[in-house]
Amino acid sequence: QVQLVQSGNEVKNPGASVKVSCRASGYSFKSYNINWVRQAPGQGVEWMGWISTYNGKTNTAQKFQGRVTMTTDTPTSTASMELRSLRSDDTAVYYCARESTSTRYGMDVWGQGTTVTVSS
Amino acid sequence: DIQMTQSPSSLSASVGDRVTITCRASQTITTYLNWYQQKRGKAPTLLIYDAGSLQSGVPSRFSGGGSGTDFTLTISSLQPEDFATYYCQQTYSTPRTFGQGTKVEVK
Repeated sequence: QVQLVQSGNEVKNPGASVKVSCRASGYSFKSYNINWVRQAPGQGVEWMGWISTYNGKTNTAQKFQGRVTMTTDTPTSTASMELRSLRSDDTAVYYCARESTSTRYGMDVWGQGTTVTVSS
Repeated sequence: DIQMTQSPSSLSASVGDRVTITCRASQTITTYLNWYQQKRGKAPTLLIYDAGSLQSGVPSRFSGGGSGTDFTLTISSLQPEDFATYYCQQTYSTPRTFGQGTKVEVK
């Protein structure tokens, strides 16, 4: 079935980096772009950015520019998001989500979420 | 950036109630408006896209409307499984901003 499976939870020290991966299955990977969304504890959802799985083009929210790198690996149908210079307020659940042109870029398939805890 | 403002932030309702949530964009987004449901500890799921189109598999008691800057999500008869948090999101431009969420609680 169509699914996105994310890598496991992470605990990091302030100043470190974290890389979250998102493996797609059940559909043509290059036909749907991948978004990254995060949710801090008890807070709403926050859009971080978007990567084209077709050509690797990215669009990152200004808040994260310079700290986030989004990549894809077509042979393994995997998208990844690296966040650098971690701070305590980066503690959150990070989601990848597929967007579809048929849903006006609504995100119709989501990963299960990866909890990133930043603590010394 | 386009700001999305939902109201109310929370509401209390009973099973069988008709519930309406509103979402206002800070500038026109035509119908590039999606609604998501999120249950505790789970990823959001897409309910409505293009302001009024029901995502496959979503019960028909959910409906969406609006265009331009003002949008609504309506649950015609609230069911026990509908107690959750709902988010609107615009995909008219980047950054693809979300509303702050509306929590639907048991009255």
